[in-house]
Amino acid sequence: GQQVQQSPTSLVLQEGENAELQCNFSTSLNSMQWFYQRPGGSLISVFYNPSGTKQSGRLTSTTVIKERRSSLHISSSQITDSGTYLCAMATNAYKVIFGKGTHLHVLP
Amino acid sequence: NAGVIQTPRHKVTGKGQEATLWCEPISGHSAVFWYRQTIVQGLEFLTYFRNQAPIDDSGMPKERFSAQMPNQSHSTLKIQSTQPQDSAVYLCASSLDTSNSDYTFGSGTRLLVI
Repeated sequence: GQQVQQSPTSLVLQEGENAELQCNFSTSLNSMQWFYQRPGGSLISVFYNPSGTKQSGRLTSTTVIKERRSSLHISSSQITDSGTYLCAMATNAYKVIFGKGTHLHVLP
Repeated sequence: NAGVIQTPRHKVTGKGQEATLWCEPISGHSAVFWYRQTIVQGLEFLTYFRNQAPIDDSGMPKERFSAQMPNQSHSTLKIQSTQPQDSAVYLCASSLDTSNSDYTFGSGTRLLVI
């Protein structure tokens, strides 16, 4: 079936280091979205990025549709960046499939 | 814009009881989705409404789960005869329309069946 693979599963950084999160899709996709979630918290949209590169502050997302992949780059990580980052792909107009997430821990 | 509103935030039910979860999508959003999140399975699609009409319920456990959207301002997810394995966070999301899958999620309802 359709799958979304995220890597790494978990990542531990020292504050100030950069992070690169990857998302790979098993099928062609219409669009994709990155979400952030704190433990016990709701899903917060970070980027809706069907293709190309988008930047917001210290976060940059790049989606390459034909290669079925997307990445999320976090520069100069901060303790408050800790949490789970999930990528999700839409293969048709509405159904979105989520990856298992990357658990990020930023240490002081 | 209050975002997607889900109530209650937490619900504890005894095994065999019924649980009803509520979702108020963002005003003007025509697409409403229900997902379930557990540590083991992650996020699982349950069902989807477009302009209040049920479009795809392929993720819904058939026997005890049902969802309705009686008007454009709210949707309900009902679980009959709840079982411990139904314990999860149930998330509702809405998007502007089906050509744009830019989702906004609610805070979720954490259901615990004991």
